[in-house]
Amino acid sequence: DAGVIQSPRHEVTEMGQEVTLRCKPISGHDYLFWYRQTMMRGLELLIYFNNNVPIDDSGMPEDRFSAKMPNASFSTLKIQPSEPRDSAVYFCASTTAPSSSLHFGNGTRLTVT
Amino acid sequence: QQQVKQSPQSLIVQKGGISIINCAYENTAFDYFPWYQQFPGKGPALLIAIRPDVSEKKEGRFTISFNKSAKQFSLHIMDSQPGDSATYFCAARSGNQFYFGTGTSLTVIP
Repeated sequence: DAGVIQSPRHEVTEMGQEVTLRCKPISGHDYLFWYRQTMMRGLELLIYFNNNVPIDDSGMPEDRFSAKMPNASFSTLKIQPSEPRDSAVYFCASTTAPSSSLHFGNGTRLTVT
Repeated sequence: QQQVKQSPQSLIVQKGGISIINCAYENTAFDYFPWYQQFPGKGPALLIAIRPDVSEKKEGRFTISFNKSAKQFSLHIMDSQPGDSATYFCAARSGNQFYFGTGTSLTVIP
């Protein structure tokens, strides 16, 4: 079991640039979640998918953020244009049916200068 | 609005001591309460979890105490070790969504 795989591990970009974060969930997990972690706000749910379909995106900060899950083994979180306040660690997590706990990837640390 | 309130924000304990982290919630729809452990540079990992029909769950040195009437639950780490130094998050689930506390940074001094 390779676990949830996220890439890149670190991303440094300039304000205004497009950023794409990637996630490969654990095989067989049909729920995928994107979280953002900051010192001030802790872990915040951005969006989650079930069977590749977005179910709740109410946590997405604004239209600059978008997420897709084109198939069961891949998801992206895109920020366009990026801003310094987007600097955070972004986690992807997956799970099976709701009775199970989340399995997190190791995150992508995003720095926007 | 924080759905799950966690305290303290940081905790320093001597090796061999007991570490206690507390969480409180209001939403009675929560039906599953996991604790996650996070080391620097890593994602949170499930440590132990409890359902509201049980008042206590123990796994090795880690125990969850759950008080349904008070809407509170806590993590106790017995015989704390330097390797336990990490950030701990409590969480609560409603439907398909998990709500996390703000985390407790635990440092165990040798």
